[in-house]
Amino acid sequence: DQQVKQNSPSLSVQEGRISILNCDYTNSMFDYFLWYKKYPAEGPTFLISISSIKDKNEDGRFTVFLNKSAKHLSLHIVPSQPGDSAVYFCAASAGFNKFYFGSGTKLNVKP
Amino acid sequence: DTEVTQTPKHLVMGMTNKKSLKCEQHMGHRAMYWYKQKAKKPPELMFVYSYEKLSINESVPSRFSPECPNSSLLNLHLHALQPEDSALYLCASRVRETSGNTIYFGEGSWLTVV
Repeated sequence: DQQVKQNSPSLSVQEGRISILNCDYTNSMFDYFLWYKKYPAEGPTFLISISSIKDKNEDGRFTVFLNKSAKHLSLHIVPSQPGDSAVYFCAASAGFNKFYFGSGTKLNVKP
Repeated sequence: DTEVTQTPKHLVMGMTNKKSLKCEQHMGHRAMYWYKQKAKKPPELMFVYSYEKLSINESVPSRFSPECPNSSLLNLHLHALQPEDSALYLCASRVRETSGNTIYFGEGSWLTVV
């Protein structure tokens, strides 16, 4: 049973516009959430994270929003660039050791 | 610096071979992970080492044998694998930050079992 879900397998966005990637989770014990970006033939690269005590965290063009009551988080990329085209995974953890990953959303930013 | 180094980048092995995947980090992280990833799937946890001790084994078949010789090194010994074990094997290390724990991945080792 998947505890972290990304229901959109793909997303296509025009360069310069906003990309919004969504993630839902089921385990209310999750207290830390992360986003990773993955290019083909490479390992996932950490992008941004958010603790459950916050509802927003921003780092440059990337902002993560957390809605604990809805068990939902989203990653906003503004403005989107062609180099952002990749697969994005969200992940969640409860405690120290285990991280649960969603199935990924493939973002295509068109020039 | 969040560098995790994995070798080899590509490995092709027969079903009767014995080979090893290696992972190294010099960031002082005390937890290290092996994940397996198949195409269009999320990373799947295999093993976690914490302070050089195996703390999580996600019911991985014994043909995969992890080893943590010291706090910087993590190996995955492979023996009698099956073609369905072909995948990207990812090593990661965990850092404890003020807001939570983050894992950083290496580039991965592409394994093909023939």
